[in-house]
Amino acid sequence: NAGVTQTPKFRVLKTGQSMTLLCAQDMNHEYMYWYRQDPGMGLRLIHYSVGEGTTAKGEVPDGYNVSRLKKQNFLLGLESAAPSQTSVYFCASMDRGGNQPQHFGDGTRLSIL
Amino acid sequence: AQSVTQLDSHVSVSEGTPVLLRCNYSSSYSPSLFWYVQHPNKGLQLLLKYTSAATLVKGINGFEAEFKKSETSFHLTKPSAHMSDAAEYFCVVSLAGYSSASKIIFGSGTRLSIRP
Repeated sequence: NAGVTQTPKFRVLKTGQSMTLLCAQDMNHEYMYWYRQDPGMGLRLIHYSVGEGTTAKGEVPDGYNVSRLKKQNFLLGLESAAPSQTSVYFCASMDRGGNQPQHFGDGTRLSIL
Repeated sequence: AQSVTQLDSHVSVSEGTPVLLRCNYSSSYSPSLFWYVQHPNKGLQLLLKYTSAATLVKGINGFEAEFKKSETSFHLTKPSAHMSDAAEYFCVVSLAGYSSASKIIFGSGTRLSIRP
């Protein structure tokens, strides 16, 4: 049982480059989330989705775009990477309804030089 | 407004001694409360959740938490610490069942260290 899978696990980019982080879940969950985790800042929500074809902004959306073309996949894009986007990115999925826990991937460690 | 406060950023205990990680919350509703654990270079893993069925909740790996409404607390405990418990622990309040799916508030985390 894979759960939530994030690819790639590590990546180093140069400032100005673009890339896409992929999150895939096999639990048929409606909700999906992208967070970034930085030392001393906890987890901050970037974007989220409540279903296929829908996305919404979270707490820190600037510099990122997302797409949810298929229910099982949630893509996070950086169009022009900046050093401030160096972070660990986590994807999570959650079933609809109250009292549901989130299921997390193992993260993507991204460095922008 | 909803909030979560983890009262200790770092807790250090000796192996075999009890663990107490403290969490206080503020919510206008009866929230769902969770504890997650994060081991190095891993994602967050659910330890346990409170959903109003019982105030004492048992989780994985011998952890449990008690919901105290009068104190707005949801402290995490374990009777005897093991070296493998060394990790970061997050207390989480979720209002996703009442309002927006984004209303999930994370505490700042408590790093648990275990001394041999």
